[in-house]
Amino acid sequence: EVQLVESGGGLVQPGGSLRLSCAASGFTFSTCWMHWVRQAPGKGLVWVSRINSEGSSTSYADSVKGRFTISRDNAKNTLYLQMNSLRAEDTAVYYCARNPDWGGYNMDVWGKGTTVTVSS
Amino acid sequence: SYELTQPPSVSVSPGQTARITCSGDTLPKQYAYWYQQKPGQAPVLVIYKDSERPSGIPERFSGSSSGTTVTLTISGVQAEDEADYYCQSADSSGTYVVFGGGTKLTVL
Repeated sequence: EVQLVESGGGLVQPGGSLRLSCAASGFTFSTCWMHWVRQAPGKGLVWVSRINSEGSSTSYADSVKGRFTISRDNAKNTLYLQMNSLRAEDTAVYYCARNPDWGGYNMDVWGKGTTVTVSS
Repeated sequence: SYELTQPPSVSVSPGQTARITCSGDTLPKQYAYWYQQKPGQAPVLVIYKDSERPSGIPERFSGSSSGTTVTLTISGVQAEDEADYYCQSADSSGTYVVFGGGTKLTVL
């Protein structure tokens, strides 16, 4: 079964850091581009970041650029999101998602998400 | 920054056809994708590359494109189709991913 499982969310104070993980199984992780997408409570989906299959190319939404870092460990079939200098507006459910091989930036497999709450 | 515009809500009766639009300047050059999200669940891809349907998605879901507008059509709407629907594309450079604001589909 193709599966993505996020972990690492929690409550953190403004200015703090968290590292999210996304464990992939059931497919060849090392050949897939991957994304992080977030959703604030009661709000819509917002793309956060993407990484290519080798981990050599990344891009970020302007709202997180310079604060978040996406990375991957293909040997461990795991995607990461290092989040620094967290703000209240980063509070959201964070989803990892697979980019399918039919081309274009899109997401055909999603995890169930992990919740990040930034509050004092 | 690049934006995709969707109507906040659409309502239809069971068995009718629902059409949800998404407008954006780069849609003539970039493919659009559609996701369905039910409360408390992760999104599900229902249309890719403007009009292709992933395996497992019912045939009543279809997509089309015309100029700067793409449309998700749900024919013979069922109660289980009540959900939020999001369009998604990329900016003109193909670097950034963008989602529309979402449309809440209500089945009356």
